[in-house]
Amino acid sequence: SQQGEEDPQALSIQEGENATMNCSYKTSINNLQWYRQNSGRGLVHLILIRSNEREKHSGRLRVTLDTSKKSSSLLITASRAADTASYFCATETSGSRLTFGEGTQLTVNP
Amino acid sequence: GAVVSQHPSWVICKSGTSVKIECRSLDFQATTMFWYRQFPKQSLMLMATSNEGSKATYEQGVEKDKFLINHASLTLSTLTVTSAHPEDSSFYICSASPQGAHGYTFGSGTRLTVV
Repeated sequence: SQQGEEDPQALSIQEGENATMNCSYKTSINNLQWYRQNSGRGLVHLILIRSNEREKHSGRLRVTLDTSKKSSSLLITASRAADTASYFCATETSGSRLTFGEGTQLTVNP
Repeated sequence: GAVVSQHPSWVICKSGTSVKIECRSLDFQATTMFWYRQFPKQSLMLMATSNEGSKATYEQGVEKDKFLINHASLTLSTLTVTSAHPEDSSFYICSASPQGAHGYTFGSGTRLTVV
């Protein structure tokens, strides 16, 4: 099964609202990464959080990591219509191997 | 920033033919590149790890004779889908990571349709 499982599978919000996506995983990791994918395109790296970090910020993005619960969350504040995309978490283990979660489809309505 | 170029962005081929997809790191050297497959509305599944100058490492269940990977230089990896069938239709994406970088850079993907 997938290393990462994400919820919700789909999220629809209004512009200006915050969006929170969650990711759970099963094994020990070196780091956890979040990516964004616009429909039919490649992935764009958003943020990386190491296993010894608990929280990280980048612009409107805030990521948390709880290694005891094997879970992470991605918060997008003050969302914009341009944030509409699929968001994937990915865990990196030894050997530089990335395992992706199922993804959350975010729709931000103008 | 690091750029990975993938070509073609889409291709339609007939059953039984072979298709080659290229993945190039434009401004960095990549001794390792990764090939993923993605079905509609699903996640990415790692197919294989491409190693420059040596054989690729395939994930369990991925046929190495069907998905040929060549990584002949530090900036180019190719994936050849041999004797393609309609069930091979999918979105194929490559990625690489510059030395010391945080995270991976992905190509823009190749939409393969086998008719």
